[in-house]
Amino acid sequence: DAGITQSPRHKVTETGTPVTLRCHQTENHRYMYWYRQDPGHGLRLIHYSYGVKDTDKGEVSDGYSVSRSKTEDFLLTLESATSSQTSVYFCAINSDTNYGYTFGSGTRLTVV
Amino acid sequence: QKEVEQDPGPLSVPEGAIVSLNCTYSNSAFQYFMWYRQYSRKGPELLMYTYSSGNKEDGRFTAQVDKSSKYISLFIRDSQPSDSATYLCAMSAGFQGAQKLVFGQGTRLTINP
Repeated sequence: DAGITQSPRHKVTETGTPVTLRCHQTENHRYMYWYRQDPGHGLRLIHYSYGVKDTDKGEVSDGYSVSRSKTEDFLLTLESATSSQTSVYFCAINSDTNYGYTFGSGTRLTVV
Repeated sequence: QKEVEQDPGPLSVPEGAIVSLNCTYSNSAFQYFMWYRQYSRKGPELLMYTYSSGNKEDGRFTAQVDKSSKYISLFIRDSQPSDSATYLCAMSAGFQGAQKLVFGQGTRLTINP
């Protein structure tokens, strides 16, 4: 998607290993979000950021941490991956002047 | 109970039909309402947004909000096979600051040629 990229697109990892997903934007938007999407649950907010080094928890933050050292990058870390964290992870961005989000293309994570 | 409820479907209709997609919600603080369209293996894209109650039309799409009933709808007229996708409703209480959208679980729609 224009202005926002996620990496990797796919990842398979083992239970207990740390995993970091990256979201990079070129829109200079202030707000960045991490969501996970699961069947029967839709999109659920994990963490979000409202500026460099300013982050807060969402609805399903247990087992996840985030960091934002630059405006353009927002990292999501699974500290010790579990099978329940197998999901599709989406990053989203927005600013103070636009409705809604722009989403990335997602990262499909499988924990085995 | 979830803050936003959406029938997951799947919903299958013939080409040219009028499609009605709906969500209900429980949080009376919600004021901003959106519909996203998500194609398979892609990220959601914003389709329409409305503020408070009322209707909004954009081409073949009409969004309706009834805050008194806590009910929102998306209508698609003259549906096309290219409209086949998952449609997600989303809503938030505020616009300024981090919006923290709350999503429905999405309705999978198939338009049959």
